[in-house]
Parts: sequence; C-alpha cells; structure tokens
Amino acid sequence: AQSVTQLGSHVSVSEGALVLLRCNYSSSVPPYLFWYVQYPNQGLQLLLKYTSAATLVKGINGFEAEFKKSETSFHLTKPSAHMSDAAEYFCAVSNDYKLSFGAGTTVTVRA
Amino acid sequence: ETGVTQSPTHLIKTRGQQVTLRCSSQSGHNTVSWYQQALGQGPQFIFQYYREEENGRGNFPPRFSGLQFPNYSSELNVNALELDDSALYLCASSLGGENTGELFFGEGSRLTVL
Repeated sequence: AQSVTQLGSHVSVSEGALVLLRCNYSSSVPPYLFWYVQYPNQGLQLLLKYTSAATLVKGINGFEAEFKKSETSFHLTKPSAHMSDAAEYFCAVSNDYKLSFGAGTTVTVRA
Repeated sequence: ETGVTQSPTHLIKTRGQQVTLRCSSQSGHNTVSWYQQALGQGPQFIFQYYREEENGRGNFPPRFSGLQFPNYSSELNVNALELDDSALYLCASSLGGENTGELFFGEGSRLTVL
C-alpha cells in the first residue's frame, strides 16, 4: 500500500516568513496526493491535490505544492505566513477507496 | 449546499459500553467514509460505504461496524468500548466509490472512554 511520511512534527515560523512542510511518498506508480489542513476543534479541509496533471499545484489560502518524482516528494509551501495559518497540516495519498494520512505537522506562527 | 454534519460533537462513555455516532453527508454525495484520529496522530481509515454497501475496510476489529441509509447518511457503531477507542471520529463524504477525488469532512465526534 502507498504511504506518506511527513518530516517534522512541528514547525514554527515568523509572520511573513516562508512556510515549508515536507512530505515524501512511497509508491511505484504515480499517486494521487493531497494536503489537508485542520484548525483547532474542526474537521479537515482540502488545501490542494495532485492528480498527475501539472506538477506545481496551487491551492487555497496562498499554498502550493510541487510534485517531484525524482525525490518522491510533495512539499507544501507558502511564501508569507499569516497568523491564521496556525493549524495542523496533513499529507495524504490515495489508496483505492481510502486516503492514508501522514502523522501531521503542527504549524505555529510567531508575531 | 449543506456540508457534512456529525453528532454528537462530544461524548463520554465507560469501558464495555456501546456507542453510535451519526453523519449526514454533503448534499449529492453517495459515499461516506469514517476515520479515527487519535490524539497527536493522523486520521486512520475505518471503513467506507457506497450506496448502502461496505466498500472497503481498514485494520479495525469487527466491533467497529457501520450502516449507510438510503438518504446516504451513515452511522458508526462501536461495541465493547476500550480505553484506546478514545479519539476524534471523522466522517467524510464524496462522490462515487473511489477516493481519487476530494473528501469533505465533518467536524468530528470526540469520544472519551473512561
């Protein structure tokens, strides 16, 4: 089964700084990859998804991710962090009828 | 368009009891998936229902069971509760029977087992 690994359980950035969240996948075939965000006491919201079209995927709230087959990576970035970006972020890969999630990365934003 | 709604939002049970969690799917969606999210972890797939039939199951024991109704709403039942069942239970709806697309999540039901 395909899986994802998120590197770093916690990331702290200053407001206005670059946000970089790392995700690597294990798959022998091109996967469907997703980034979800979870705000405190809420469910998960889709940020963006890769479905083998463009390798650079743009999502909501200024986030984007680049699919790199050579590195088996799908890292999430945002050029300038905002206080409202404080949340937990999950990378996920599609396995037939289900999504397999990484352990998550908590982002805190310093004023 | 009505989003995914779950009930109850919070509940407390004791070991050995049974619990039923409910989910109303987003309008037009015929597929419901259930996930368990333990504290500090990513969601783990429990099972999926498509057109009232179980369409796939994760690594959970049989005491986790489910139903989907003709209106595509769903229930998750857990019997003989154990302390490790304490978690946030997330329901997600989607179109079709495969997860190649987007899942729409509810806000979850937080279960505490004492």
